[in-house]
Amino acid sequence: ELKVEQNPLFLSMQEGKNYTIYCNYSTTSDRLYWYRQDPGKSLESLFVLLSNGAVKQEGRLMASLDTKARLSTLHITAAVHDLSATYFCAVDKREYGNKLVFGAGTILRVKS
Amino acid sequence: DAGVTQSPTHLIKTRGQQVTLRCSPKSGHDTVSWYQQALGQGPQFIFQYYEEEERQRGNFPDRFSGHQFPNYSSELNVNALLLGDSALYLCASSTPGVNTEAFFGQGTRLTVV
Repeated sequence: ELKVEQNPLFLSMQEGKNYTIYCNYSTTSDRLYWYRQDPGKSLESLFVLLSNGAVKQEGRLMASLDTKARLSTLHITAAVHDLSATYFCAVDKREYGNKLVFGAGTILRVKS
Repeated sequence: DAGVTQSPTHLIKTRGQQVTLRCSPKSGHDTVSWYQQALGQGPQFIFQYYEEEERQRGNFPDRFSGHQFPNYSSELNVNALLLGDSALYLCASSTPGVNTEAFFGQGTRLTVV
């Protein structure tokens, strides 16, 4: 069974600081996703990571994937208040019909 | 392109009632998946429709059923509503294949009272 664990579940940061969110998954997967969700809103796709060693960056966010360790990280650089949201990682696998399996999410609060 | 659209955006129902939620996929997409997101949790897969058939199902009771129409739009039906069915229901559309990504609608917030 494909399972996804994120940590921490809650993260309170000061503006300007760096931090990393971790995502572990239980079995090999085809793709790993990072989503952002603002309160009461839907999911906004941030990154799709396909292969071992993949690294993608957008603004202050950088995601990486280590398929051997079954680990992805979402690194936040010099946090700003606008990054406050809940971040989810999710994985899918073709033999499971490409359904997405999500982690519990990390609530990020950036304090000014 | 309107993307994935869901209706209604908010809904309040009484315990025991039935509800139907609707989803129109992104243009060019033929696969629709439904997810339930309870407050404070990650989305949980309900089921997926492709070619008007249910292709996969998550761990949800038979009270949850769906349908896909020839134009690829989809409905999610929930019978005998329970308080625990209160959640954000998300629809995602995609196309089959390895290099495809699911796009999510804005969701329907269902409150059961």
